[in-house]
Amino acid sequence: DAMVIQNPRYQVTQFGKPVTLSCSQTLNHNVMYWYQQKSSQAPKLLFHYYDKDFNNEADTPDNFQSRRPNTSFCFLDIRSPGLGDAAMYLCATSRDPIATEAFFGQGTRLTVV
Amino acid sequence: AQSVTQLGSHVSVSEGALVLLRCNYSSSVPPYLFWYVQYPNQGLQLLLKYTSAATLVKGINGFEAEFKKSETSFHLTKPSAHMSDAAEYFCAVQRGGSQGNLIFGKGTKLSVKP
Repeated sequence: DAMVIQNPRYQVTQFGKPVTLSCSQTLNHNVMYWYQQKSSQAPKLLFHYYDKDFNNEADTPDNFQSRRPNTSFCFLDIRSPGLGDAAMYLCATSRDPIATEAFFGQGTRLTVV
Repeated sequence: AQSVTQLGSHVSVSEGALVLLRCNYSSSVPPYLFWYVQYPNQGLQLLLKYTSAATLVKGINGFEAEFKKSETSFHLTKPSAHMSDAAEYFCAVQRGGSQGNLIFGKGTKLSVKP
């Protein structure tokens, strides 16, 4: 049974058109993460929520926003996608921030045209 | 600050041969270390983790890794490669403090030849 579910798996959006990626979890984990992974690169953390506490990485562009309306759901909003934002976006969860396994979703591959 | 370095962006082995994927870490505190595997167009799956218990860690699919503090290494091994092991492998260290999210290495792509 899928525990971290990302929708959609593939998303095509137009340059400059806002897009939202979604993530849900059935694990009741406290922490939810969003990573950006460009082709042949390591996943790069954009931000994470520890419960309702939002933590933004210093180098995450302002173009990227996130919402966590409840424990189960987390959204990634890209306000004005550029060609450079085309990537795989990975959502992950963990029970606690320290020493516990992170569970990843299947990812959403975003294409910007 | 914590970081990991994976030596070799691409490793190719024959089916049945030993798999050795190298990872060295840098950490100012005792690290928590992880190996993840990623198949094409998939998310990451945990293979194993080191959290300061036994230095030899056994994971899924026959993989294991040994934490060597003196060498600051956490290399991943498997005695006999299978075709299904072909994937990308990421070593990761957990960032310290309350913001314990993962910092990934650049990944090693493993190819397995028949």
